[in-house]
Amino acid sequence: IVLTQSPVTLSLSPGERATLFCRASQSFRSSLAWYQQKPGQAPRLLIYETSYRATGIPARFSGSGSGTDFTLTISSLEPEDFAVYYCQLRGNWPPAVTFGQGTRLEIK
Amino acid sequence: QLVESGGGLAKPGGSLRLSCAVSGFPFTDYYMSWVRQAPGQGLEWLAYISGRSDYINYADSVKGRFTISRDNAKNSLYLQMNSLRAEDTAVYYCARDVVGADYYGMDVWGQGTAVTVSS
Repeated sequence: IVLTQSPVTLSLSPGERATLFCRASQSFRSSLAWYQQKPGQAPRLLIYETSYRATGIPARFSGSGSGTDFTLTISSLEPEDFAVYYCQLRGNWPPAVTFGQGTRLEIK
Repeated sequence: QLVESGGGLAKPGGSLRLSCAVSGFPFTDYYMSWVRQAPGQGLEWLAYISGRSDYINYADSVKGRFTISRDNAKNSLYLQMNSLRAEDTAVYYCARDVVGADYYGMDVWGQGTAVTVSS
């Protein structure tokens, strides 16, 4: 399964709403996760099982979707949210792990 | 906490062994994964291993060259990398992989260790 994220780059201003997309090449019976990565840092888990926020993740982050189309929404951007975001799945069969290529969220 | 070590410079065709020292949680209860990131590129999953090493899976890009293993007595995860290529140059991360009735993501990550493959 290939995960394609869009857009590649998203330019927005603090306070705006960000919507990031992740499309799978085929429908899968598994769950999707989202990660945030800032320069020089390890990735951080934001969302698991498509829509559940990981521990300590602010409520402005939300995930949704099913089938082949998934979305990460940041309701009102804070300065610290500008980073690269990756979607990821772990398939049931084949039991491989796949990351999307990432969306860079930059300050406009 | 996860702390990787063992990175460095290797020659093409050479070998390196990465280690990931784990503390702060019951190591045996968790799957663990290795993920890498080439310079300026995205994340690439390499391999995972179950808590008792009975389930192991590899990405096609490293199958047959890399071997994941763990020593639960030492709370340590390993990645043996053989037949290294220039395209293996990357930062290598170990991560805790939460697998249960469903998949809950990689929720704890190390800081990464850099591997450079060059003659």
